Amino acid sequence: DIQMTQSPSSLSASVGDRVTITCQASQDIISYLNWYQQKLGKAPKLLIYGASSLETGVPSRFSGSGSGTDFTFTISSLQPEDIATYYCQQYRALPATFGGGTKVDIK
Amino acid sequence: EVQLVESGGGLVQPGGSLRLSCEASGFTFNFYGMNWVRQAPGKGLEWISYISSGGTTIYYADSVKGRFTISRDNVRNSVYLQMNSLRVEDTAMYFCARELDYEAYWGQGTLVTVSS
Repeated sequence: DIQMTQSPSSLSASVGDRVTITCQASQDIISYLNWYQQKLGKAPKLLIYGASSLETGVPSRFSGSGSGTDFTFTISSLQPEDIATYYCQQYRALPATFGGGTKVDIK
Repeated sequence: EVQLVESGGGLVQPGGSLRLSCEASGFTFNFYGMNWVRQAPGKGLEWISYISSGGTTIYYADSVKGRFTISRDNVRNSVYLQMNSLRVEDTAMYFCARELDYEAYWGQGTLVTVSS
C-alpha cells in the first residue's frame, strides 16, 4: 500500500495568516491526490482533486500543488470558518490511503 | 443532487454482527465503485473496503479481512457492509464514499459502537 505522510499534525494560526500543509507519498502518485476538509462531527468534504484542481464552489483561498511524491495544500488567508482537520488522500492505486490529518485552529 | 445515506449502525457486543447500508441517489449508481471508510473516535480516516461498479472487484483492509463483507445491489442503488466478529476496536463512524478519486463524495456516516 502507498503510505501518505502528512505534516504538521496540528497548527494554530491567526485570521488572515497563510497556512501550509504538506503531504508526502511513499511512491510516485503522479497527481492523483485529493485534499479534504473535515469539520467536527461532519463528513469529509472534497476541496482539491488532481493535486491542484479546485472543487466547484470551494473558495479560491484554498489551493494545492505538487506532483510525484511531494504535495502542498495552502490556505492563503485563514478564516474562522476554516477551523477543521484537513486530510490528503492518494488515488493512484487501490487501496486509497490517507494522511494522518492536520488539525487547524485559530490562535 | 448527489446523496449517500448510511444506516444500520448501533450498539453491539463484542463478537456480534451488524449490517450497514448506504443508499445512493442523484447519480448513476452502477457507474461508480463504492468504498467504506471508518473513523474511530478522535482518530483519522481508515479505508476498509472497496467494491467496483459491477461488483466483480473487491478489496479489504487487513484489519477487517475475513470478518467484513462488502456487497452492492445496483437495482436498489445500495451498498452494504456485513460486519461479523466485531471487536471493541471496530468502534467508529462508518462512512460510505463514492469513488475516492476526483469524483469523491461521502455520506454523513453511521456510528457503530462495540461494547459489552
